[in-house]
Amino acid sequence: DAGVTQSPTHLIKTRGQQVTLRCSPISGHKSVSWYQQVLGQGPQFIFQYYEKEERGRGNFPDRFSARQFPNYSSELNVNALLLGDSALYLCASSPDRNTEAFFGQGTRLTVV
Amino acid sequence: AQRVTQPEKLLSVFKGAPVELKCNYSYSGSPELFWYVQYSRQRLQLLLRHISRESIKGFTADLNKGETSFHLKKPFAQEEDSAMYYCALSGYNTDKLIFGTGTRLQVFP
Repeated sequence: DAGVTQSPTHLIKTRGQQVTLRCSPISGHKSVSWYQQVLGQGPQFIFQYYEKEERGRGNFPDRFSARQFPNYSSELNVNALLLGDSALYLCASSPDRNTEAFFGQGTRLTVV
Repeated sequence: AQRVTQPEKLLSVFKGAPVELKCNYSYSGSPELFWYVQYSRQRLQLLLRHISRESIKGFTADLNKGETSFHLKKPFAQEEDSAMYYCALSGYNTDKLIFGTGTRLQVFP
């Protein structure tokens, strides 16, 4: 098993653009969470989806949205990008709720 | 406010020395506490969680509710322990993890 996979690994966008990040959970995992990690900080919770429904949302503006598909993969969308959105975006999957979270390698987003 | 504090950005020790990475938390209720580790060029991974009361790679952590602390300890550090360590908490019936800012552990030969 390759573990949690995220794509792309790196991307560069300009201010005002929109971006979509993708996450494939470990096979059989139904829960997917997204985190933002700014340089020098710990990961910050953005969203959690379980069985295709949003189960938690962090303190992020409405420019951030996400969804989970029937195969449990997930997308994170960010609209109207700001320079401050530059960060490592981590996806984590869990077999079920309240179980160990397995993290992907992340997507490094740079907004210029 | 829900918060995890790791006061040290960097902790440097020599091989064989004891290690203690500090973690304090603020949470109204009964949180679950975790230590995550990230080795160079690897993904973030769970090291241990307080409910399992395990010793992983020689590391232990005890939840002290009176002092709201969850310090990570190892009696004899190894070079391969060099990594970034994050303390995190989650609340009851939620998967949201709240992370500290992390402590980089450097173990010199």
